[in-house]
Amino acid sequence: EAQVTQNPRYLITVTGKKLTVTCSQNMNHEYMSWYRQDPGLGLRQIYYSMNVEVTDKGDVPEGYKVSRKEKRNFPLILESPSPNQTSLYFCASSFRAVGTEAFFGQGTRLTVV
Amino acid sequence: AQTVTQSQPEMSVQEAETVTLSCTYDTSENNYYLFWYKQPPSRQMILVIRQEAYKQQNATENRFSVNFQKAAKSFSLKISDSQLGDTAMYFCAFMITYTGANSKLTFGKGITLSVRP
Repeated sequence: EAQVTQNPRYLITVTGKKLTVTCSQNMNHEYMSWYRQDPGLGLRQIYYSMNVEVTDKGDVPEGYKVSRKEKRNFPLILESPSPNQTSLYFCASSFRAVGTEAFFGQGTRLTVV
Repeated sequence: AQTVTQSQPEMSVQEAETVTLSCTYDTSENNYYLFWYKQPPSRQMILVIRQEAYKQQNATENRFSVNFQKAAKSFSLKISDSQLGDTAMYFCAFMITYTGANSKLTFGKGITLSVRP
């Protein structure tokens, strides 16, 4: 089954403790992206990747890192999480960068206390 | 920069009735796509319908159709014969389409739709 898999789905952590949210897709998609969803703000892009070893900042990149060492994986790293990073996070992928449908993961609910 | 505006935070409709969700956007680009995504309580983001800006014909998918007015930069979603399973948050989204562009989806704030039995 074609899918984007995120883990974990729920995470509660403390301020400053490094964490990684994994994202994997099995559709051989070139383009992958991370979004955060906050009430009243919709979804906003954090980082994106056009292909392996090609990543760039989205609209709200502060406090986040990403890497794309393999085509299928695109982890989101919070090296020193803060409470303002409490949010719902989505990974998305699409076949190529130009105008194709984005497939979303199930979402990760992160709470930083 | 692109912006997407969904001015209605909540709407309610009786089962089997028709409801229209509004969306406006602002861009200086000529080539783009517009989308409506549904987010039920499960949080999954589900693509409802897609419209290419170069197409004049409005997209339809079963009970879902859009009214795309390019000059007015308006993109509303009509849901016919509303069902209880349509209860969800709906997001309007915009994507630039030219080679090499970041295929970022720019989302509106969303609208919560409740279908009453």
